[in-house]
Amino acid sequence: DAGVTQSPTHLIKTRGQQVTLRCSPKSGHDTVSWYQQALGQGPQFIFQYYEEEERQRGNFPDRFSGHQFPNYSSELNVNALLLGDSALYLCASRRMVSGGVEKLFFGSGTQLSVL
Amino acid sequence: KQEVTQIPAALSVPEGENLVLNCSFTDSAIYNLQWFRQDPGKGLTSLLLIQSSQREQTSGRLNASLDKSSGRSTLYIAASQPGDSATYLCAVNGANNLFFGTGTRLTVIP
Repeated sequence: DAGVTQSPTHLIKTRGQQVTLRCSPKSGHDTVSWYQQALGQGPQFIFQYYEEEERQRGNFPDRFSGHQFPNYSSELNVNALLLGDSALYLCASRRMVSGGVEKLFFGSGTQLSVL
Repeated sequence: KQEVTQIPAALSVPEGENLVLNCSFTDSAIYNLQWFRQDPGKGLTSLLLIQSSQREQTSGRLNASLDKSSGRSTLYIAASQPGDSATYLCAVNGANNLFFGTGTRLTVIP
């Protein structure tokens, strides 16, 4: 059973460019969240997708957008890259259940460097 | 807004020692609390999850406690080993997302 998989593992971009990161959730999971982790910091919540819609969003600008596909996989897009967008981007998945919150499983992340 | 604090930021211990990592949070209205391990440049591995109705969880040499009313959790590691060296992150689950602390970087010296 594959866990959460992310691609690519590393990426180098220049300021002003656009980037797309990809995530496949763990088998049986239907909810995907994205987190940004700057060096030496804890992960910060970007947004969550369920049933192909953005359900919750953290304090990130509109340059950050996403998508979820019918097979539950997800993409994170960042436009007009800034130097400060350099970080480890983590994808997490879980099952959406009523009356509770299940454990999140994280992928290994995509390390984005903006030069 | 939920704020999570972890103390100490870094800890260095000799192999075999027992140790405690601390986590505090400001809003006690949480669903659960998770402890994660992160190796340098890698993703997060979930160690223990404590539901809001629970007081503690154990897995092998790890024991995590939760005192929701005081906004505190501790992670106890028994008989530490060099392989335990990593950053340990505490995260509280408010509803649909996790609020993380900045972590404790643990080094176990052989």
